[in-house]
Amino acid sequence: QVQLQQWGAGLLKPSETLSLTCAVYGGSFSGHYWSWIRQPPGKGLEWIGEINHSGTTNYNPSLKSRVIMSVDTSKNQFSLKLRSVTAADTAVYYCARGFRGDTAVVGLSLFYYYHMDVWGKGTTVAVYS
Amino acid sequence: DIQMTQSPSTLSASIGDRVTITCRASQTINSWLAWYQQKPGKAPKLLIHKASTLESGVPSRFSGRGSGTEFTLTISSLQSDDFATYYCQQYKSNYNFGQGTKLEMK
Repeated sequence: QVQLQQWGAGLLKPSETLSLTCAVYGGSFSGHYWSWIRQPPGKGLEWIGEINHSGTTNYNPSLKSRVIMSVDTSKNQFSLKLRSVTAADTAVYYCARGFRGDTAVVGLSLFYYYHMDVWGKGTTVAVYS
Repeated sequence: DIQMTQSPSTLSASIGDRVTITCRASQTINSWLAWYQQKPGKAPKLLIHKASTLESGVPSRFSGRGSGTEFTLTISSLQSDDFATYYCQQYKSNYNFGQGTKLEMK
């Protein structure tokens, strides 16, 4: 059974860099995408971005300029860095697996679709001045 | 960017009720839609993917329908454990979540 364990600094000052890591236990690290999602206090979920085992990334356009994701396949870990944080970045941050469960053929192209089936427990990050 | 709109934002219901939550996409997403349940202080839990495929271990009182731009999540007979917030999410192009529907006890 796949489990995700995440950790990172929980208290930051404005302009600092948020840094979180998620370790994957059980299951295959390759073949899926690995995402970060956040949830501000009392609000909904926002996808931050994803990375696969090869280091291919996709980022939310609204955060792209400040986000860097990386992967360490030797440890089955992936990481998130978010630069220049402000109070608006205060949130619970989750890591999740994008499971490649479906494919579709469109014209001559094959597309894969990934749904988030396993989540970490979340890390609370607060930005204070 | 694909926008997801859920309704209602809050739903008051009683044990045994049949409840339905609606999710609309700003453009077609075929059937690439998931539903999640979230309880306070916990991570979201995947209930349904591909609009109607129930995850293993999820009670059969949960069901999902729809394709294109309009989707529904139905709980056929509400149980006490079902009071939570529910989110839809499209995964056709990146990921976008609906704003959530809080299901509360009447």
